Amino acid sequence: DADVTQTPRNRITKTGKRIMLECSQTKGHDRMYWYRQDPGLGLQLIYYSFDVKDINKGEISDGYSVSRQAQAKFSLSLESAIPNQTALYFCATSDSSSNQPQHFGDGTRLSIL
Amino acid sequence: SQELEQSPQSLIVQEGKNLTINCTSSKTLYGLYWYKQKYGEGLIFLMMLQKGGEEKSHEKITAKLDEKKQQSSLHITASQPSHAGIYLCGADRGGSNYKLTFGKGTLLTVNP
Repeated sequence: DADVTQTPRNRITKTGKRIMLECSQTKGHDRMYWYRQDPGLGLQLIYYSFDVKDINKGEISDGYSVSRQAQAKFSLSLESAIPNQTALYFCATSDSSSNQPQHFGDGTRLSIL
Repeated sequence: SQELEQSPQSLIVQEGKNLTINCTSSKTLYGLYWYKQKYGEGLIFLMMLQKGGEEKSHEKITAKLDEKKQQSSLHITASQPSHAGIYLCGADRGGSNYKLTFGKGTLLTVNP
């Protein structure tokens, strides 16, 4: 089983719809992150969370919200989706107590028509 | 402006050839991470470099960090089709591994 699991893996929806992307991890890491990747661009940080009660905006948080339901779960919501939010979304985790890299999920491919 | 510049943007090599991918930062590097991504899939961690002059190797991939030049290089020896993918470098700005800035990636194609 994957350590960082993202659901759904693919989603096609219409403009104006509310969408939730979910991420769960079995690594026991305290920190979790949401990134988006657009073709030809690097990863951009949307939100990050140090623990359940500590959530921070990243570079491109406008139009997104997050919820850290438990240490192992971090969800990303698009309240009213728009076409330029079409992208590949990644969840990542890391452990603040060790100097180890971030671990990524397999991504969610989101298309907004 | 892009804080992390990767070069080249894309690279096509014949199987068995050596190649180098560079990652140059416009700001101080506290740590440099290399990831590999197969098209449309997740990122696989390759190597982490944290000290100037540090060099790490895994199988046929070697990464170096030149802190003074704010640059890292990834070298693949005797490339194989399995090396194909997108290579991304990520920089740690604050020395705490929680806010990474990524380059745009280098697309590597290895022809058999």
